[in-house]
Amino acid sequence: AQKVTQAQTEISVVEKEDVTLDCVYETRDTTYYLFWYKQPPSGELVFLIRRNSFDEQNEISGRYSWNFQKSTSSFNFTITASQVVDSAVYFCALSMDSNYQLIWGAGTKLIIKP
Amino acid sequence: GAGVSQSPRYKVAKRGQDVALRCDPISGHVSLFWYQQALGQGPEFLTYFQNEAQLDKSGLPSDRFFAERPEGSVSTLKIQRTQQEDSAVYLCASSPGLAGDYTGELFFGEGSRLTVL
Repeated sequence: AQKVTQAQTEISVVEKEDVTLDCVYETRDTTYYLFWYKQPPSGELVFLIRRNSFDEQNEISGRYSWNFQKSTSSFNFTITASQVVDSAVYFCALSMDSNYQLIWGAGTKLIIKP
Repeated sequence: GAGVSQSPRYKVAKRGQDVALRCDPISGHVSLFWYQQALGQGPEFLTYFQNEAQLDKSGLPSDRFFAERPEGSVSTLKIQRTQQEDSAVYLCASSPGLAGDYTGELFFGEGSRLTVL
């Protein structure tokens, strides 16, 4: 069975701190895709990144970085020098090869205090 | 507008009423998805359209749920005889590619929050 676990329900940090959101996934497939989406208070989910199972290179995009480790089935997301605008719910998701049905984690609510 | 538009943003229905939720995807997007998001949870897949064809409705929770996209653009999700457990945010997403070319970048609307009393 496929599953995505985001164990952190809510994280609260002070602005400018670094914060890491954890994502652990389960699948028996060898080909799969991992995603992160951001859901601000307005409600629409915003795509952040997609990774396929054959690419374990870490990714950096500005203050955002992602650490994909197949050995621990994790795909963690780090925000460096957090800002108030980063406050949102962040979802990790998984899909199998050619399967558009994403399996979503329960989300982590991130609160950045000024 | 340039994004996915959903209406109404908020809907309160009495148990047993029928509701219709509308989604205007980004113009030209071939794929359209409906998701249901319960409070404090991630979205759950309901159904998928490729143009006007409903290729997958495996996520629809019961035969009270019905979706259509008759001209391959606007889609409507209809829920008949609403129940309290139908209370959720209903998210619509569109994508320019086909499911087989799926890259994972879905463009979501802000959702329709349904509350059934």
